[in-house]
Order: sequence, then structure tokens, then C-alpha cells
Amino acid sequence: ETGVTQSPTHLIKTRGQQVTLRCSSQSGHNTVSWYQQALGQGPQFIFQYYREEENGRGNFPPRFSGLQFPNYSSELNVNALELDDSALYLCASSRDSEYTQYFGPGTRLTVL
Amino acid sequence: GENVEQHPSTLSVQEGDSAVIKCTYSDSASNYFPWYKQELGKRPQLIIDIRSNVGEKKDQRIAVTLNKTAKHFSLHITETQPEDSAVYFCAASSNFNKFYFGSGTKLNVKP
Repeated sequence: ETGVTQSPTHLIKTRGQQVTLRCSSQSGHNTVSWYQQALGQGPQFIFQYYREEENGRGNFPPRFSGLQFPNYSSELNVNALELDDSALYLCASSRDSEYTQYFGPGTRLTVL
Repeated sequence: GENVEQHPSTLSVQEGDSAVIKCTYSDSASNYFPWYKQELGKRPQLIIDIRSNVGEKKDQRIAVTLNKTAKHFSLHITETQPEDSAVYFCAASSNFNKFYFGSGTKLNVKP
């Protein structure tokens, strides 16, 4: 069973640009959640996708959007990047009806 | 929305001692409470979790207790070892479609 993977590992963007981050779920998992983790803070829930539909959303503006594909991989898109978007972005996958989440290694985004 | 508070922010113990980390939550609908360990530069890893229909759960040196009435839950680590040193996060979720994390506790176990 393969683990959760994310790409890219690191990314540097400038303010106002757009970014797409990718997550490949663990085999057999159909639910993906995305989190933003600022330095020294706990992960903040962005949204969750279940079977290609958004299933829950945290307190993030609409410029944070996502997709889940038929193979259950997922993308996080952020438009109009701001300096405060600099953070570690984590995705976590889980099986249908199971609560246990498995996190990916994260993408470190720096906005200059 | 849910608000999860975690204390203390840092905790230093001697090897072999016990460590206790406490969290409170605000939403009475929350029914799932996981704990994660995050080592520097690594991904969070689930170490133990508890559902609202259970008051206590134990796994070797780690235990979690839940008090639904008071809306708080705690992580207990006994016989601490240097490899327990990490940042620990609590979280709360209702029906698994939203997760709210605490701000973390940096545990330092001194040899």
C-alpha cells in the first residue's frame, strides 16, 4: 500500500500569482482533506473532498479552491497569492466511513 | 465554528516521567478526537484517537481520556523516552467532514 504523496516539495511564488498543489491519496482512500500550517501553528482545515465533491470547508476565502479526480488524487488552487499564504500545505487521505487520516509530507509555499 | 484550545504550549519532562497535554473544545457536536505527533520537518502522524462514545482509550504508553460534559480531552504519555520529543497536536471533528486542530504542544524529554 503506497502512502500519501504531494508535489512539489517546495515552491516560491510572488504576490498576486496563482499556484496549484497536488496530492496523491493512499491506495484505496476516497476522501482528501487539505490543511494550511503556518510556522509554529497547528494545521488549519481548508476543505475536504469526498468522491469528487466538496464535503466540508473551513474559514478560507473563495480564492482557495480544489478538485478531486476520479482516481481520488486532488489539487489545491490558490489565486491572487498574498504574503500570509506562505505556509506548509498538507493533504490527508482516508477511507470511506473511516475517521483515520494519513498525511502527506506537505508542500512548502513561500510567497514573496 | 469549533474552537480547540491546547495547553501547555511547551512541556519539559525528565526521561521516565509522565507527560499530560490537555485540550478543550467548544462544539458539543464534535464526536472524534485524534492526537498527532509531528517531528521537525515531518508530516503529522496519528498516535491515538477516541470517539465520543468512549471515555478512555489506551495503547501501550499512550492514553487519551475524554470528558464530554466538560468538553475536554487529554493525552497521557507514561515512561517518557527521548524519542517522544516532538510537537503534539489535538484535533476535534464532527462527522469527519471538518477538522479543527489545537495550536500544539512542544514536548521535550530530557535524558
